[in-house]
Amino acid sequence: GAGVSQSPSNKVTEKGKDVELRCDPISGHTALYWYRQRLGQGLEFLIYFQGNSAPDKSGLPSDRFSAERTGESVSTLTIQRTQQEDSAVYLCASSLTLRDTHEQYFGPGTRLTVT
Amino acid sequence: RKEVEQDPGPFNVPEGATVAFNCTYSNSASQSFFWYRQDCRKEPKLLMSVYSSGNEDGRFTAQLNRASQYISLLIRDSKLSDSATYLCVVNLGNTGGFKTIFGAGTRLFVKA
Repeated sequence: GAGVSQSPSNKVTEKGKDVELRCDPISGHTALYWYRQRLGQGLEFLIYFQGNSAPDKSGLPSDRFSAERTGESVSTLTIQRTQQEDSAVYLCASSLTLRDTHEQYFGPGTRLTVT
Repeated sequence: RKEVEQDPGPFNVPEGATVAFNCTYSNSASQSFFWYRQDCRKEPKLLMSVYSSGNEDGRFTAQLNRASQYISLLIRDSKLSDSATYLCVVNLGNTGGFKTIFGAGTRLFVKA
């Protein structure tokens, strides 16, 4: 079946602009995660959603970052007033549930460049 | 101290060599452990889970030492295609909120 998809694959934006990144999880996966990966760095957890529960936003780096998810489907990550330090690959992953033993399947990521 | 620490490498090994990576974690409440593989400019993919009793999948062996809080990955008979970054992943489970922590990765280059 189809994997996790993300769009756009690449985004170049000017400093100060808002951007919206989209993630389509695997159908039937109730848990969805967003991560950020700066060049040469590890993955930085941003936020997760599980079903209809309130999302865990503890990893969001600032109030310029927000995310939404419609039911158990599409999620959008919005970055307002982008800064150059926001440049990174933003990865979305989904898993069957939030159970710690469930594998996370990653999308190909959105490469964001803030100029 | 980072919650999950790995030697960044790179490890440069010839084909056929055996190579081992270690990963240490700081939170004793960690409940599950994984190794992911990430190819250059690609997304991470699960390589294998790590079980308390240790587990093997072909040329790959993973071990967990809870007392010392470290995880290891052993690759035997290295192939060129094993060249990648290997990410150690620790889940704190559902105690006090779910949390997945990725290590920064260990880079492996296998050369002919």
